[in-house]
Amino acid sequence: QIQLVQSGPELKKPGESVKISCKASGYTFTNYGMYWVKQAPGQGLQYMGWINTETGKPTYADDFKGRFVFFLETSASTAYLQINNLKNEDMATYFCARRSIPFDYWGQGVMVTVSS
Amino acid sequence: DIQMTQSPSSMSASLGDRVTITCQASQDIGNNLIWFQQKPGKSPRPMIYYATNLANGVPSRFSGSRSGSDYSLTISSLESEDMADYHCLQYKQYPDTFGAGTKLELK
Repeated sequence: QIQLVQSGPELKKPGESVKISCKASGYTFTNYGMYWVKQAPGQGLQYMGWINTETGKPTYADDFKGRFVFFLETSASTAYLQINNLKNEDMATYFCARRSIPFDYWGQGVMVTVSS
Repeated sequence: DIQMTQSPSSMSASLGDRVTITCQASQDIGNNLIWFQQKPGKSPRPMIYYATNLANGVPSRFSGSRSGSDYSLTISSLESEDMADYHCLQYKQYPDTFGAGTKLELK
């Protein structure tokens, strides 16, 4: 069956970097893009962007240009989100989702805590 | 960017009530809208896609409709398992945008 399994929770200090993985199984990884969504504590969902898994080309929403990086390890059917120079406002749960209507495949989410 | 104005932000209702949540799009999005349900600590689950289509496994008490730029999710007879947050998403135009969400609670 189709699954997206994300890495575990992270506790980081401001200024550090974090790398979150999203491993896909049950389908051909390069046939569908990977979507990234942020959810701050008690808040709604925020579109971060997506990565074309066939070409590796990332597309970032404006709020996520600069410190956020989407990349792939195609041989492992895995997409990654790296956040550099972490700030307090990056504290959130980050979801990956297969970019296919109706967005019915999601990872379980990764909670990133930023605390000094 | 297309703004999705979702209302209400929260509501309480009784079991058996008819409940409607609305998203208004600031620009034309056609029917390129999905409604998600999200329970605490869980990933979003699609309920309605292409504005009016029921997603797989979703009970028939859920429905989606469109009137102009207003998109609605209706639960015809509320059940306890429907208590959750609901989010709309437009994917017509980059960047995709979510509504702010609606928290549905039991009265």
